[in-house]
Amino acid sequence: GNSVTQMEGPVTLSEEAFLTINCTYTATGYPSLFWYVQYPGEGLQLLLKATKADDKGSNKGFEATYRKETTSFHLEKGSVQVSDSAVYFCALSGQRGNNLFFGTGTRLTVIP
Amino acid sequence: DAGVIQSPRHEVTEMGQEVTLRCKPISGHNSLFWYRQTMMRGLELLIYFNNNVPIDDSGMPEDRFSAKMPNASFSTLKIQPSEPRDSAVYFCASRKDPLSPLHFGNGTRLTVT
Repeated sequence: GNSVTQMEGPVTLSEEAFLTINCTYTATGYPSLFWYVQYPGEGLQLLLKATKADDKGSNKGFEATYRKETTSFHLEKGSVQVSDSAVYFCALSGQRGNNLFFGTGTRLTVIP
Repeated sequence: DAGVIQSPRHEVTEMGQEVTLRCKPISGHNSLFWYRQTMMRGLELLIYFNNNVPIDDSGMPEDRFSAKMPNASFSTLKIQPSEPRDSAVYFCASRKDPLSPLHFGNGTRLTVT
């Protein structure tokens, strides 16, 4: 079946620190992979996506590379800002694309 | 693009009362999803529709929950009777097609006392 496992939080970093949030997946076939971000009091927003192996998704300084050999899609950012404080969700869409499977979310807090 | 619109933003009700949550998806989007988010269980898919037809309702907790999509621009999630354990944030999301990302509303925070 399809599932996503992501790094337990919470994560607290100082401003300008390097961020990695780990995400691994189990899927049949060739899923698409996503990172969503949820700011306080809001719904989830798409941050980036990758639809095939070795694709790199990027947005707002965040990056993630679709690694089929390690079934991973780790989120990285070289220098975090206070405004990046949010909950980050890794997700996959099955080959048929009918549903999105979300990880449990990782809360990131960036302190000045 | 007004985004996915949910109402109300907050709902406080007493145990045993009926609760109806509403969602207007983005125009032109063919799929609509209802999710529930709690601290304990994270984000859970309750039900989703393709072209107004329910496809998978296996996530609906029990018969007290029901969802309808009478047309392409409106969906409801009803809880009758409500219980304190139903307290959560309920999100509606829509997408254009299976390869497109989900667009979420801002959620309805439900508190059942």
